[in-house]
Amino acid sequence: DTEVTQTPKHLVMGMTNKKSLKCEQHMGHRAMYWYKQKAKKPPELMFVYSYEKLSINESVPSRFSPECPNSSLLNLHLHALQPEDSALYLCASSQPILDTEAFFGQGTRLTVV
Amino acid sequence: RKEVEQDPGPFNVPEGATVAFNCTYSNSASQSFFWYRQDCRKEPKLLMSVYSSGNEDGRFTAQLNRASQYISLLIRDSKLSDSATYLCVVKGFQKLVFGTGTRLLVSP
Repeated sequence: DTEVTQTPKHLVMGMTNKKSLKCEQHMGHRAMYWYKQKAKKPPELMFVYSYEKLSINESVPSRFSPECPNSSLLNLHLHALQPEDSALYLCASSQPILDTEAFFGQGTRLTVV
Repeated sequence: RKEVEQDPGPFNVPEGATVAFNCTYSNSASQSFFWYRQDCRKEPKLLMSVYSSGNEDGRFTAQLNRASQYISLLIRDSKLSDSATYLCVVKGFQKLVFGTGTRLLVSP
């Protein structure tokens, strides 16, 4: 099973809403990532978890709050987002060692209204 | 300067053509290198890893030059289904950093 599953696939939320994106993998990977991708741009790294601990935060605004409840799950909690936060949010996982590729989920397409 | 740079294209080629993409990276401590492919509105998918000795997978050949901090991808005998965006990815210090991507359009 080389699958990373993200839910929901699509999400529309208001600027005052609170929502969560979910990501799950069962490949035994101990590194998990959140990326944000705008149209016609490459994915931009947001957060990295390594062995369930937050190891990298790329200066992401606090309205995005990641959580890693266990080695298979990764959440991204959203609160008070802005319309410019509308994007494709991609989750990925890999082994936290060199020369191993990352596998990506299909993403959550988020629209903030 | 971006950490990983690619020519954005688009590269428009006919079926059967050979096309080459280049990528440069700025962090000399980078440790692993990959080419990913991304179709419109889909997630990136691994095309191939890139090794120092160069490696080939069917019609695809990847090269790495650590001294010049340069990575390349060669696609031979292009197919219509090769139309996509090709992303150079550099891994180091727990980060996976994407290049800007190169769009390839293969026409009949």
